[in-house]
Amino acid sequence: DVLLVQSGGMVVKPGGSVRLSCAASGFTFADFSLHWVRQSPGKGLEWISQINWDGSSRFYADAVKGRFTISRDNSMHSLYLQMSSLKTEDTAYYYCAREGTGWNYFDFWGQGTPVTVSS
Amino acid sequence: EIVLAQSPVSLSLSPGERATLSCKASQTVSRNFLAWYQQKPGQAPRLLIFRTSSRATGVPDRFGGSGSGTDFNLTISRLEPEDFAVYYCKQYGQMRYTFGQGTKLELK
Repeated sequence: DVLLVQSGGMVVKPGGSVRLSCAASGFTFADFSLHWVRQSPGKGLEWISQINWDGSSRFYADAVKGRFTISRDNSMHSLYLQMSSLKTEDTAYYYCAREGTGWNYFDFWGQGTPVTVSS
Repeated sequence: EIVLAQSPVSLSLSPGERATLSCKASQTVSRNFLAWYQQKPGQAPRLLIFRTSSRATGVPDRFGGSGSGTDFNLTISRLEPEDFAVYYCKQYGQMRYTFGQGTKLELK
């Protein structure tokens, strides 16, 4: 079975940094692009970043560009999101997701990691 | 950036009824890269429909997607109790993904 298991929740002060991780199993990790999507409390979904199969292409939403860095380690079957210069508006549940082949959809999701940015 | 507007914001229906959810894009969605997701409280989103009308693996055939260009619909032919949730449309274009704000399908 395809599984994406995310690291635990975190509380961080404004201006601080954290790294989220997402461990994959049940599929050939290096064959798939991966994404991060977040959801602020009581709000909708917001795509924030994408990385292709080998990490050579990365894209970011404007809201996080220059502050967040997506990366992957294919040998460890893991996806990461380094979040820096955090703002209170970055408080959200963060989901990793696998992109299905060919049609830019997200077919499997992690369970989500809550990140709270508060002084 | 392509903006997706979903309507209605909320919809109250009873089991057995038909639900039609709308998603309108501010620009043409390229190659019909339009998907629908279902999210229940405390859970991650679940893929229902991709490429406008293709059902994801394991999705019941009471779920159907249609549309093209800027206008898309998700139809649930006969509501089951487990279908009451929030539904999001999502598009891919210009190297960005955007989600609609969601439609909450509530039990009447």
